[in-house]
Amino acid sequence: DSGVTQTPKHLITATGQRVTLRCSPRSGDLSVYWYQQSLDQGLQFLIQYYNGEERAKGNILERFSAQQFPDLHSELNLSSLELGDSALYFCASRYGGAMNTGELFFGEGSRLTVL
Amino acid sequence: GESVGLHLPTLSVQEGDNSIINCAYSNSASDYFIWYKQESGKGPQFIIDIRSNMDKRQGQRVTVLLNKTVKHLSLQIAATQPGDSAVYFCAESSGGADGLTFGKGTHLIIQP
Repeated sequence: DSGVTQTPKHLITATGQRVTLRCSPRSGDLSVYWYQQSLDQGLQFLIQYYNGEERAKGNILERFSAQQFPDLHSELNLSSLELGDSALYFCASRYGGAMNTGELFFGEGSRLTVL
Repeated sequence: GESVGLHLPTLSVQEGDNSIINCAYSNSASDYFIWYKQESGKGPQFIIDIRSNMDKRQGQRVTVLLNKTVKHLSLQIAATQPGDSAVYFCAESSGGADGLTFGKGTHLIIQP
């Protein structure tokens, strides 16, 4: 158990809909990262928050947004969903803000299926 | 394009043999590398890391080798066990805040 909790574990929805994925980082971790994993892709970095503020952006679509709350949990909002958004979405956390040492701790992921 | 990649999508080895999983990276500014293991239905799990000022690091049954000259990283697993079956990802960072850049992964299959 990494200590990172993600909900829901599975989610099935229709095109055009909006969903929210939730992540609780490890106790004490200030940084939260969101990654997308599709069948034919590796882990694609979406966005990072550090202590409530956006720190870095990766390949995140404009239809997607995220935030980190004062209690450090984070939510990833996916809107106007398309079939291609079907993927595993992982949250990861670590204490520091810069990725120069130390591992990222990953949650078990939220599997999103868009029909 | 991605800055980190793996040479083989699938690697099949006999139980008890040693496994070597390779990874190439293109960002010469990368100074930190990690190997992750992802079992089916689970999130990636840290195996071992190495910084660019080292060329070898050993853990329990695992060794990571870094060749900065040719930008190559490898993971060696000794005496492979059935529990080693998973997808293995290498990842790199240049020290920035944008997390890790992952390769596409190699699926390690253990033959009995």
